[in-house]
Amino acid sequence: AQSVSQHNHHVILSEAASLELGCNYSYGGTVNLFWYVQYPGQHLQLLLKYFSGDPLVKGIKGFEAEFIKSKFSFNLRKPSVQWSDTAEYFCAVSPKAAGNKLTFGGGTRVLVKP
Amino acid sequence: GAVVSQHPSWVICKSGTSVKIECRSLDFQATTMFWYRQFPKQSLMLMATSNEGSKATYEQGVEKDKFLINHASLTLSTLTVTSAHPEDSSFYICSAQGQGNEQYFGPGTRLTVT
Repeated sequence: AQSVSQHNHHVILSEAASLELGCNYSYGGTVNLFWYVQYPGQHLQLLLKYFSGDPLVKGIKGFEAEFIKSKFSFNLRKPSVQWSDTAEYFCAVSPKAAGNKLTFGGGTRVLVKP
Repeated sequence: GAVVSQHPSWVICKSGTSVKIECRSLDFQATTMFWYRQFPKQSLMLMATSNEGSKATYEQGVEKDKFLINHASLTLSTLTVTSAHPEDSSFYICSAQGQGNEQYFGPGTRLTVT
């Protein structure tokens, strides 16, 4: 079975700082990759996804992620965060052969100080 | 577009009773819906895949007789927690699969069993 690990459980940073959240997965086959965000009191929203093609994916709100196949990684980045980026971020993986079933990482809580 | 609702948002029930949670795709049809469980400060764990007009597929370790899933229409899936016990207390989240294999998540239902 596949697994997803997010290295940081909590991240605290100041506005305008750069953000990078790590995500690694273990699965031998081809996968679809996702980053979801959950703002306080809200439901999960899709930030970006990778199915194929250019491994550098741009999402909403200035976020991007890079798929490095050799490292089984899909790290999320944002060059300059805002207070409104305070949220919990989840990486998720769906093996293409698994009927779109998602396996989530443990999540990273990000607190941006104004 | 692509809004998913859940009802109720919060329910308290007594041990031994059953609780039904509804998941609706409001502006699109979803042949496939997913049910997740999220424990406090933990990630989402897939419980089952709900397919319209057919039996749900449960993940390993999930009791199908305890968590009854019915996907009676293209916009509605229900999860019934039967004979609920305090250990079933959790946050239950559904998602509906839309076009492009993207999953849209509901706001979740908090179940407290006393």
